[in-house]
Amino acid sequence: EAGVVQSPRYKIIEKKQPVAFWCNPISGHNTLYWYRQNLGQGPELLIRYENEEAVDDSQLPKDRFSAERLKGVDSTLKIQPAELGDSAVYLCASSLGAGGYNEQFFGPGTRLTVL
Amino acid sequence: DAKTTQPTSMDCAEGRAANLPCNHSTISGNEYVYWYRQIHSQGPQYIIHGLKNNETNEMASLIITEDRKSSTLILPHATLRDTAVYYCIVRGYTGTASKLTFGTGTRLQVTL
Repeated sequence: EAGVVQSPRYKIIEKKQPVAFWCNPISGHNTLYWYRQNLGQGPELLIRYENEEAVDDSQLPKDRFSAERLKGVDSTLKIQPAELGDSAVYLCASSLGAGGYNEQFFGPGTRLTVL
Repeated sequence: DAKTTQPTSMDCAEGRAANLPCNHSTISGNEYVYWYRQIHSQGPQYIIHGLKNNETNEMASLIITEDRKSSTLILPHATLRDTAVYYCIVRGYTGTASKLTFGTGTRLQVTL
């Protein structure tokens, strides 16, 4: 069974440019998460989806970040415009449900470098 | 979420047991102890979790003290592939308490 798929794996852009990351979760997983991981730190949750509904986006910087999961499967995270401080690894994870008994499976991440 | 305290780094010789400690002195009665690891350039991977009893699976063993204020993850026979950052996380089962809140973890280096 395929794991969580993310693309691209690496992205280099100049500041003020837009960028988008794509995630395909494990088949049948209703819950999808986007995390950001800064260098030397653990991942931090940005947003959580239950099917197509964003149920926890309290940590998403809404002035420049947006996310969507239109059909409750794939998801896209967008930054517009990107800033230097957005350089990080963006991780997508999925689970069968949101409860703590549901293991989260992580993708390999997208490493974003903003110049 | 209860905070956890872990050593920044540890070394272990290949073939020996790696014992990774974690302090979680403010854990509440309905919170579990979870362990994840992150190998370089990969996403975190679930290892094991427990409430108050010791747990074992194919990857590791988890020993939780009787007062639940600390725990130890044991990799019985560490290999080079176990070199990773190990995260100890305290987590509830429902609602916002079920969020995974990662700290900075312990960087385990397994050497020949």
